Amino acid sequence: GENVEQHPSTLSVQEGDSAVIKCTYSDSASNYFPWYKQELGKRPQLIIDIRSNVGEKKDQRIAVTLNKTAKHFSLHITETQPEDSAVYFCAASMGSQGNLIFGKGTKLSVKP
Amino acid sequence: GAVVSQHPSRVICKSGTSVKIECRSLDFQATTMFWYRQFPKQSLMLMATSNEGSKATYEQGVEKDKFLINHASLTLSTLTVTSAHPEDSSFYICSARGGGGELFFGEGSRLTVL
Repeated sequence: GENVEQHPSTLSVQEGDSAVIKCTYSDSASNYFPWYKQELGKRPQLIIDIRSNVGEKKDQRIAVTLNKTAKHFSLHITETQPEDSAVYFCAASMGSQGNLIFGKGTKLSVKP
Repeated sequence: GAVVSQHPSRVICKSGTSVKIECRSLDFQATTMFWYRQFPKQSLMLMATSNEGSKATYEQGVEKDKFLINHASLTLSTLTVTSAHPEDSSFYICSARGGGGELFFGEGSRLTVL
């Protein structure tokens, strides 16, 4: 089955700096890769997703890149703000209706 | 976006009792819902896939007789933790697919078994 590895497990940056979180997946059939943000005690919220037919997607300060050959995808947050502090999860699935397999999460701390 | 509501948000029960958690899709129909378990500072672990009108599909290692799942309608799935024990204490969270394939999560239910 699919296995998703996520790094780093913790990331601390200064406000205004960029943050990058990387994930690798094992099943080459996976073609849907969402990213979720989870604040303490709250539900995960979808922040951006990418499908295997594109290599990059941007939404304001957030971008995701996908390298299908290497089977890895990354989340990039620019101009970080304290409210970006949360746990971020990557995930992979085969098709938009397949089971999502999550990475172990990255705790991002943005220091003012 | 689509709304998924989960109830109760917190529940404390005595060891040996059963607890039911409800997951509702409020503005869309969900033929499939997913149940996850999350331990503190850990990731979301898929427990089972709930299918409307049929039996749930459980992930390896998840006891189907302990975690009973019922998906009786297109908007409601329930998870019942039977004969709960302290090791069942965890954050349980459900989710459902929106029309575009994106996954929407309920608020989660924190179960504490004394």
